[in-house]
Amino acid sequence: DAGVTQSPTHLIKTRGQQVTLRCSPKSGHDTVSWYQQALGQGPQFIFQYYEEEERQRGNFPDRFSGHQFPNYSSELNVNALLLGDSALYLCASSILAGAYEQYFGPGTRLTVT
Amino acid sequence: AQTVTQSQPEMSVQEAETVTLSCTYDTSESDYYLFWYKQPPSRQMILVIRQEAYKQQNATENRFSVNFQKAAKSFSLKISDSQLGDAAMYFCAYEHENEKLTFGTGTRLTIIP
Repeated sequence: DAGVTQSPTHLIKTRGQQVTLRCSPKSGHDTVSWYQQALGQGPQFIFQYYEEEERQRGNFPDRFSGHQFPNYSSELNVNALLLGDSALYLCASSILAGAYEQYFGPGTRLTVT
Repeated sequence: AQTVTQSQPEMSVQEAETVTLSCTYDTSESDYYLFWYKQPPSRQMILVIRQEAYKQQNATENRFSVNFQKAAKSFSLKISDSQLGDAAMYFCAYEHENEKLTFGTGTRLTIIP
Protein backbone atom coordinates (compact mmCIF):
# COMPACT_ATOMS: atom_id res chain seq x y z
CA ASP A 1 0.00 0.00 0.00
CA ALA A 2 1.64 3.21 -1.19
CA GLY A 3 1.68 6.00 1.32
CA VAL A 4 1.45 9.68 0.53
CA THR A 5 3.68 10.65 -2.37
CA GLN A 6 4.86 14.09 -3.42
CA SER A 7 6.67 15.44 -6.45
CA PRO A 8 9.13 16.82 -7.10
CA THR A 9 11.52 16.14 -4.22
CA HIS A 10 13.49 19.33 -4.70
CA LEU A 11 12.84 22.45 -6.72
CA ILE A 12 14.78 25.64 -7.34
CA LYS A 13 12.93 28.69 -8.67
CA THR A 14 13.67 32.34 -9.24
CA ARG A 15 11.86 35.15 -7.44
CA GLY A 16 8.69 36.12 -9.32
CA GLN A 17 8.20 32.74 -10.94
CA GLN A 18 5.33 30.33 -10.39
CA VAL A 19 5.54 26.78 -9.04
CA THR A 20 3.25 23.74 -8.88
CA LEU A 21 3.71 20.97 -6.33
CA ARG A 22 1.87 17.67 -6.51
CA CYS A 23 0.55 15.19 -3.98
CA SER A 24 -1.06 11.77 -4.19
CA PRO A 25 -2.87 10.72 -1.01
CA LYS A 26 -2.69 7.40 0.75
CA SER A 27 -5.02 4.81 -0.75
CA GLY A 28 -8.55 5.22 0.59
CA HIS A 29 -8.03 8.78 1.80
CA ASP A 30 -10.26 11.59 0.54
CA THR A 31 -8.85 14.69 2.20
CA VAL A 32 -5.58 16.48 1.45
CA SER A 33 -3.95 19.18 3.57
CA TRP A 34 -0.90 21.27 2.72
CA TYR A 35 1.62 22.66 5.18
CA GLN A 36 4.63 24.95 4.86
CA GLN A 37 7.60 24.24 7.11
CA ALA A 38 10.29 26.91 7.27
CA LEU A 39 13.73 25.85 8.41
CA GLY A 40 13.78 25.18 12.15
CA GLN A 41 10.04 25.72 12.55
CA GLY A 42 6.96 23.60 12.93
CA PRO A 43 4.67 23.12 9.93
CA GLN A 44 2.12 25.87 9.25
CA PHE A 45 -1.27 24.99 7.75
CA ILE A 46 -1.92 26.37 4.26
CA PHE A 47 -5.26 24.81 3.25
CA GLN A 48 -7.27 21.61 3.13
CA TYR A 49 -9.21 20.08 0.23
CA TYR A 50 -12.15 17.70 0.32
CA GLU A 51 -14.45 16.74 -2.56
CA GLU A 52 -12.49 19.06 -4.84
CA GLU A 53 -13.33 22.08 -2.68
CA GLU A 54 -11.16 24.12 -0.34
CA ARG A 55 -12.56 23.20 3.05
CA GLN A 56 -10.53 25.54 5.19
CA ARG A 57 -7.59 27.87 4.81
CA GLY A 58 -4.76 29.12 6.97
CA ASN A 59 -3.24 32.58 7.08
CA PHE A 60 -1.58 32.54 3.66
CA PRO A 61 -1.97 35.09 0.85
CA ASP A 62 -3.95 34.47 -2.32
CA ARG A 63 -0.68 33.73 -4.13
CA PHE A 64 -1.10 30.28 -2.65
CA SER A 65 -3.83 28.31 -4.38
CA GLY A 66 -4.70 24.68 -4.77
CA HIS A 67 -6.75 22.11 -6.49
CA GLN A 68 -8.03 18.62 -5.81
CA PHE A 69 -8.81 16.21 -8.61
CA PRO A 70 -11.55 13.54 -8.77
CA ASN A 71 -8.95 10.88 -7.88
CA TYR A 72 -8.23 12.87 -4.66
CA SER A 73 -4.74 13.92 -5.73
CA SER A 74 -3.91 17.57 -5.20
CA GLU A 75 -1.76 20.42 -6.43
CA LEU A 76 -0.37 23.43 -4.61
CA ASN A 77 0.36 26.48 -6.76
CA VAL A 78 2.37 29.47 -5.64
CA ASN A 79 2.51 32.58 -7.85
CA ALA A 80 4.95 35.49 -7.78
CA LEU A 81 7.45 33.61 -5.64
CA LEU A 82 9.22 35.47 -2.86
CA LEU A 83 12.47 34.55 -1.15
CA GLY A 84 10.42 33.90 1.98
CA ASP A 85 8.53 31.12 0.22
CA SER A 86 11.63 28.93 0.48
CA ALA A 87 10.55 26.04 2.70
CA LEU A 88 9.64 22.38 2.90
CA TYR A 89 6.09 21.87 1.65
CA LEU A 90 4.33 18.92 3.21
CA CYS A 91 1.21 17.21 2.01
CA ALA A 92 -0.91 15.15 4.39
CA SER A 93 -3.89 12.95 3.65
CA SER A 94 -6.69 11.67 5.84
CA ILE A 95 -10.26 10.41 5.81
CA LEU A 96 -12.65 13.21 6.66
CA ALA A 97 -15.01 10.92 8.56
CA GLY A 98 -12.20 8.84 9.95
CA ALA A 99 -9.92 8.72 12.93
CA TYR A 100 -8.48 12.20 12.39
CA GLU A 101 -4.96 10.93 11.74
CA GLN A 102 -3.12 12.75 9.01
CA TYR A 103 -0.43 10.86 7.14
CA PHE A 104 2.38 12.91 5.67
CA GLY A 105 4.36 12.66 2.49
CA PRO A 106 8.13 13.17 2.29
CA GLY A 107 7.76 16.80 1.30
CA THR A 108 9.03 19.03 -1.49
CA ARG A 109 11.98 21.29 -0.71
CA LEU A 110 11.45 24.60 -2.54
CA THR A 111 14.32 27.05 -2.81
CA VAL A 112 13.64 30.52 -4.21
CA THR A 113 16.70 32.46 -5.38
CA ALA B 1 -7.21 30.35 18.37
CA GLN B 2 -5.50 27.19 19.41
CA THR B 3 -1.83 27.34 20.29
CA VAL B 4 0.72 24.63 21.03
CA THR B 5 3.88 25.33 23.03
CA GLN B 6 7.00 23.20 23.29
CA SER B 7 9.36 24.86 25.74
CA GLN B 8 12.34 22.54 25.20
CA PRO B 9 14.12 23.37 21.92
CA GLU B 10 16.66 20.58 22.53
CA MET B 11 16.91 17.51 24.73
CA SER B 12 19.46 14.75 25.02
CA VAL B 13 19.37 11.34 26.64
CA GLN B 14 21.72 8.43 27.09
CA GLU B 15 20.92 5.36 25.05
CA ALA B 16 18.61 2.96 26.97
CA GLU B 17 17.51 5.72 29.37
CA THR B 18 14.13 7.44 29.60
CA VAL B 19 13.33 10.96 28.42
CA THR B 20 10.23 13.12 28.65
CA LEU B 21 9.32 15.83 26.15
CA SER B 22 6.91 18.55 27.26
CA CYS B 23 3.98 20.14 25.45
CA THR B 24 1.23 22.52 26.55
CA TYR B 25 -1.68 23.77 24.49
CA ASP B 26 -4.52 26.20 24.68
CA THR B 27 -8.05 25.58 23.44
CA SER B 28 -11.63 26.34 24.36
CA GLU B 29 -12.85 23.05 22.90
CA SER B 30 -13.67 20.01 25.02
CA ASP B 31 -13.27 17.34 22.34
CA TYR B 32 -10.08 17.26 20.33
CA TYR B 33 -7.07 15.15 19.44
CA LEU B 34 -3.43 15.51 20.38
CA PHE B 35 -0.52 13.97 18.54
CA TRP B 36 3.21 13.52 18.73
CA TYR B 37 4.97 13.41 15.37
CA LYS B 38 8.61 12.49 14.75
CA GLN B 39 10.59 14.09 11.94
CA PRO B 40 14.00 12.49 11.30
CA PRO B 41 16.58 14.08 8.97
CA SER B 42 14.83 12.33 6.07
CA ARG B 43 12.05 14.95 6.64
CA GLN B 44 9.19 12.44 6.64
CA MET B 45 6.73 13.34 9.40
CA ILE B 46 5.85 10.10 11.21
CA LEU B 47 2.99 9.72 13.67
CA VAL B 48 4.29 8.42 17.00
CA ILE B 49 1.20 8.45 19.20
CA ARG B 50 -2.21 10.09 19.50
CA GLN B 51 -4.54 10.90 22.36
CA GLU B 52 -8.27 11.56 22.23
CA ALA B 53 -9.27 14.22 24.71
CA TYR B 54 -12.41 12.43 25.86
CA LYS B 55 -10.38 9.38 26.91
CA GLN B 56 -8.92 9.64 30.39
CA GLN B 57 -6.54 6.73 29.86
CA ASN B 58 -3.10 7.75 28.64
CA ALA B 59 -2.13 6.36 25.23
CA THR B 60 0.82 3.99 24.88
CA GLU B 61 2.62 2.60 21.83
CA ASN B 62 5.42 0.20 22.73
CA ARG B 63 8.23 2.35 24.22
CA PHE B 64 6.24 5.58 23.78
CA SER B 65 3.63 6.80 26.25
CA VAL B 66 1.97 10.09 27.06
CA ASN B 67 0.94 11.88 30.22
CA PHE B 68 -2.26 13.71 29.29
CA GLN B 69 -3.47 16.25 31.84
CA LYS B 70 -6.63 17.78 30.34
CA ALA B 71 -7.30 20.32 33.08
CA ALA B 72 -3.72 21.56 32.94
CA LYS B 73 -3.71 21.36 29.11
CA SER B 74 -0.49 19.41 29.21
CA PHE B 75 0.55 16.55 26.93
CA SER B 76 4.04 15.14 27.50
CA LEU B 77 5.73 12.27 25.66
CA LYS B 78 7.82 9.69 27.48
CA ILE B 79 10.29 7.59 25.53
CA SER B 80 11.56 4.56 27.42
CA ASP B 81 14.69 2.56 26.58
CA SER B 82 15.85 5.26 24.15
CA GLN B 83 17.43 3.99 20.94
CA LEU B 84 19.72 5.67 18.42
CA GLY B 85 16.89 5.59 15.90
CA ASP B 86 14.80 7.81 18.16
CA ALA B 87 17.00 10.80 17.33
CA ALA B 88 14.80 13.32 15.50
CA MET B 89 12.71 16.46 15.82
CA TYR B 90 9.56 15.79 17.79
CA PHE B 91 6.46 17.91 17.23
CA CYS B 92 3.39 18.10 19.40
CA ALA B 93 0.19 18.83 17.46
CA TYR B 94 -3.48 19.61 18.14
CA GLU B 95 -6.51 18.90 15.99
CA HIS B 96 -10.23 19.60 16.36
CA GLU B 97 -12.94 18.03 14.16
CA ASN B 98 -10.54 16.80 11.47
CA GLU B 99 -9.49 20.31 10.66
CA LYS B 100 -5.96 21.67 10.51
CA LEU B 101 -3.15 20.39 12.64
CA THR B 102 -1.61 23.09 14.83
CA PHE B 103 2.01 22.28 15.61
CA GLY B 104 4.45 23.37 18.26
CA THR B 105 7.93 24.57 17.39
CA GLY B 106 9.49 21.18 18.04
CA THR B 107 12.08 19.58 20.30
CA ARG B 108 15.29 18.22 18.85
CA LEU B 109 16.12 14.94 20.59
CA THR B 110 19.72 13.68 20.61
CA ILE B 111 20.57 10.15 21.72
CA ILE B 112 24.00 9.78 23.31
CA PRO B 113 25.57 6.34 22.68
